[in-house]
Amino acid sequence: QTVVTQEPSLTVSPGGTVTLTCASSTGVVTSDYYPIWFQQKPGQVPRALIYDTSNKHSWTPARFSGSLLGGKAALTLSGVQPEDEAEYYCLLQYGDARFFGGGTRLTVL
Amino acid sequence: QLQLQESGPGLVKPSETLSLTCSVSGGSIGGTPYFWGWVRQPPGKGLEWIGSIYSSGSPYHYSPSLKSRVTISVDTSKNQFSLRLSSMTAADTAVYYCLREKTGDYWGQGTLVTVSS
Repeated sequence: QTVVTQEPSLTVSPGGTVTLTCASSTGVVTSDYYPIWFQQKPGQVPRALIYDTSNKHSWTPARFSGSLLGGKAALTLSGVQPEDEAEYYCLLQYGDARFFGGGTRLTVL
Repeated sequence: QLQLQESGPGLVKPSETLSLTCSVSGGSIGGTPYFWGWVRQPPGKGLEWIGSIYSSGSPYHYSPSLKSRVTISVDTSKNQFSLRLSSMTAADTAVYYCLREKTGDYWGQGTLVTVSS
């Protein structure tokens, strides 16, 4: 059973930088997993921020960036804003299947 | 601007089959290089990928944990794709979302499905 693991929770100060990661139980995450990062605020529909590892949508703030880091997919927020407080999910593609990570609750404090 | 809208029953009895439809407006499903998918989210929990189907109807992919109960189909003439999930139990209570999968850019608003007798 494939498991995608994210940090359950992280806290960052306004203006700070934080990196969320997305690991695979099968081993190293590469660009062939086409990582997508979603942001979900309470009561809202998830919104994609990053796709194919590092590509941004037109609505993605510049402070969000995606990469591969240490064998994992990573989402970095630089210059965090209070409105970035949310749940973040990664989605990895494994050939015929896709799996979400458990989500990271990001607190801006 | 592409819009997706889920429709279907909000209440399903245990052991019954759930049928949901995702209607797409503002663009065509047919002939596009995209997978169209379903995701669910139990109350207070994380996202779970259910499955997806290519715009032409093939290939299609299902979650290994749901594979025995899931069928996803597409009707390009109606610009819709559908989800059927059989043998529903309380554990299937969730908000069900449809989405355009490749870049995750378009989602429906979600529909809450409750399994209860």
